[in-house]
Amino acid sequence: AQSVTQPDIHITVSEGASLELRCNYSYGATPYLFWYVQSPGQGLQLLLKYFSGDTLVQGIKGFEAEFKRSQSSFNLRKPSVHWSDAAEYFCAVRPSGSARQLTFGSGTQLTVLP
Amino acid sequence: DAGVIQSPRHEVTEMGQEVTLRCKPISGHDYLFWYRQTMMRGLELLIYFNNNVPIDDSGMPEDRFSAKMPNASFSTLKIQPSEPRDSAVYFCASSLTGPNTEAFFGQGTRLTVV
Repeated sequence: AQSVTQPDIHITVSEGASLELRCNYSYGATPYLFWYVQSPGQGLQLLLKYFSGDTLVQGIKGFEAEFKRSQSSFNLRKPSVHWSDAAEYFCAVRPSGSARQLTFGSGTQLTVLP
Repeated sequence: DAGVIQSPRHEVTEMGQEVTLRCKPISGHDYLFWYRQTMMRGLELLIYFNNNVPIDDSGMPEDRFSAKMPNASFSTLKIQPSEPRDSAVYFCASSLTGPNTEAFFGQGTRLTVV
């Protein structure tokens, strides 16, 4: 069965600092990969996605993620964090075949210090 | 498009009562998903539909839970009878057919069973 690991439960960064959130997956083949963000009391908003091709993908709000097949990782990065980025971030995978269900990591809570 | 619409946003009910959660997917989307989010288990898939037909309900916790999709624009998740351990945020999501598509989530329904 596929699984997703987000090893950092909580990360604190200062505004303007760079950010990297880690995501590792376990799956027999290369799955489709996603990052979602959830603000308090809100639904999940898609930040970016990887299906195939260029392993560095750009998303909304200045985020990017890099797929590394050899490490089974899909880490999320942002060069300069804004206070409004404080939220919970979820990595998710989906099989590359016909199945459609997402498997989510446990999430990383991001706190941004002024 | 208004996005995925869920109602109600909040529901408080007494143990033993029937609860019905509602979802309107994005127009034209032919996949619909129900997820549950709890502190203990994170985000987990309950059931998903394709063209109004249930495809995978292996995540439905027990017979007290049922989901229907009578038409392409409406789905319900029903819990009868409800128990305190059902307290969670329930998300509905929808997506288009096709490999390179993503799921769009609603704002969620926060259910509290007392």
